[in-house]
Amino acid sequence: EAGVAQSPRYKIIEKRQSVAFWCNPISGHATLYWYQQILGQGPKLLIQFQNNGVVDDSQLPKDRFSAERLKGVDSTLKIQPAKLEDSAVYLCASSLWGVETQYFGPGTRLLVL
Amino acid sequence: SQQGEEDPQALSIQEGENATMNCSYKTSINNLQWYRQNSGRGLVHLILIRSNEREKHSGRLRVTLDTSKKSSSLLITASRAADTASYFCATGENQGGKLIFGQGTELSVKP
Repeated sequence: EAGVAQSPRYKIIEKRQSVAFWCNPISGHATLYWYQQILGQGPKLLIQFQNNGVVDDSQLPKDRFSAERLKGVDSTLKIQPAKLEDSAVYLCASSLWGVETQYFGPGTRLLVL
Repeated sequence: SQQGEEDPQALSIQEGENATMNCSYKTSINNLQWYRQNSGRGLVHLILIRSNEREKHSGRLRVTLDTSKKSSSLLITASRAADTASYFCATGENQGGKLIFGQGTELSVKP
């Protein structure tokens, strides 16, 4: 079974630029999560999708972050414009509906200069 | 915001020794999970314990949960160099919902 796929793996941009990350969850997983992990900290949930609907985006900085999951499969997370404090690893995870265990992708490491 | 605190923040042991990590949390939970993260990689699920369980085993892993103290511990027995990683506890408030992670314990197992 293929795992959660993410791209790109690394991205370096300058502040005020925009960036987008892509995630393809495990086939059949209805729930998709985006987490932000700042160096030395645990992951923090940004947004949770159930199929193509948003379940929780309470910690998503909506003035600069957006996410979509068209067709309820893969998802894109965008930052526009980026700030220095957005430097982090962005992790995508998926799970079967109603199941607690989440499966994580390798993450995208973002550096904002 | 982070749900819990993990203790210690860093742990260094010799191969063959046992490693114990502790996690405390603040709110009521449905389940508590432990994940491992190798440097530069994603997180890997290790074990899940539900709020009505007190202890669970999986191979060399033993997890305990004390809901009255809002705390959990992860024991890795007979550690190996390959166990070197960061370990995170994560709490789920309901089934299939979001997880709230602690800040992690960095484990180093020396050969």
